[in-house]
Amino acid sequence: EVQLVESGGGWVQPGGSLRLSCSASGFYFSGFEMNWFRQSPGGGLEWISYITSNSLTVHYADSVKGRFTVSRDNARNSLFLQMNSLRVEDTALYFCARDPPFGGSDYWGQGTLVSVSS
Amino acid sequence: DIHMTQSPSSLSASVGDRVTITCRATGDIGNYLNWYQQKAGKAPQLLIYTASNLQSGVPSRFSGSGSGTDFTLTISSLHLEDFATYYCQQSYSFPLTFGLGTRVEI
Repeated sequence: EVQLVESGGGWVQPGGSLRLSCSASGFYFSGFEMNWFRQSPGGGLEWISYITSNSLTVHYADSVKGRFTVSRDNARNSLFLQMNSLRVEDTALYFCARDPPFGGSDYWGQGTLVSVSS
Repeated sequence: DIHMTQSPSSLSASVGDRVTITCRATGDIGNYLNWYQQKAGKAPQLLIYTASNLQSGVPSRFSGSGSGTDFTLTISSLHLEDFATYYCQQSYSFPLTFGLGTRVEI
């Protein structure tokens, strides 16, 4: 069974940092591209980052570029999101998701909540 | 960036109704259009990928069509468990972008 489990969320003051993790199981993690998405309270879905299976290519939304860094450790079946210089508007539920070659994101984690406030 | 416009933003329907949701892109995205269903407190679930392909395990009452800039999600006969919010997403180019969602209510 494919499973994605996010962790690392929590409360942080503006300007602070958090590192999110996404632990994958039930599939060949090394063979898949991965995405991070987020959803603010009561809001819609926002894509924030993408990484290829070999980590050679990454993409970021403009809203997080220069502040967030995506990485992965295929040996540990894990995806990461380092979030620095956090802002109030980064408050959201953060999801990792698997990106199959045929399109869309077919498996999502349950999300981890990030709350940025003073 | 490609902007996605969904309509309607919400609709009221009854069990058994046929429901249609539309999504329009600001540029040609070919068939790189995906549809998701999201229920309160849950992660989105992929329903349709590349415009018209039914994701494994999704009931056949869901279907998608369209190409280029105009796309449609149809639920042929609404079931109780279909009351949720639906999002379209383009995966043609980065940044990946979503529509604002369509809430399907009783």
